[in-house]
Amino acid sequence: EIVLTQSPGTLSLSPGERATLSCRASQTLSSSYLAWYQQKPGQAPRLLIYGASSRATGIPDRFSGSGSGTDFTLTISRLEPEDFAVYYCQQYGSSLTFGGGTKVEIK
Amino acid sequence: EVQLLDSGGGLVQPGGSLRLSCAASGFTFNSYAMSWVRQAPGKGLEWVSVISGSGGSTYYADSVKGRFTIYRDNSKNTLYLQMNSLRAEDTAVYYCVKAPENVVKYYYDHWGQGTLVTVSS
Repeated sequence: EIVLTQSPGTLSLSPGERATLSCRASQTLSSSYLAWYQQKPGQAPRLLIYGASSRATGIPDRFSGSGSGTDFTLTISRLEPEDFAVYYCQQYGSSLTFGGGTKVEIK
Repeated sequence: EVQLLDSGGGLVQPGGSLRLSCAASGFTFNSYAMSWVRQAPGKGLEWVSVISGSGGSTYYADSVKGRFTIYRDNSKNTLYLQMNSLRAEDTAVYYCVKAPENVVKYYYDHWGQGTLVTVSS
């Protein structure tokens, strides 16, 4: 089973700052089969990025994904108040697993 | 508009059974793989099971294999999860989720609102 490790566990930033979230896989992911989700308290997760770098429908362009192999990154270029949430990565190249999440909180 | 309405959660004793349902609308149900994903209180996401559009292929996480059964009724646009021999560690919010294609190993573009299952005596 491929294990996904997300870092940091918590990211404390101010609105307008840049957020960089990491997701590292224990094995190489074929064809960049990696997705990112955002979850706010009391809500279901929402798809942000699939295929490592493709934005889902309706997702603002301040969200971007990059990476390949075992190292992937979600970048939020300028944090808006509504972006403070928990972010999960998911791989779908070999079985289906999620990372442990990164919480982006207001500093 | 795609809608997934999860239901069936509740309080059940260890060793008991529960059936979750997910009523789907807004898309051609039998053309998409569907899954269940759960989230224990205060914890991360865990994939539970997936079923192909026709229902002919199913897969399970090791943690639920042999105890849970996923199935679908395409005539009713409804997904189910039959959960038997429930354990305390099965306590979680269970989300019905839709894949963007009929591919069993995929990401999820739509999520239900979730239904809470609590296993406790």
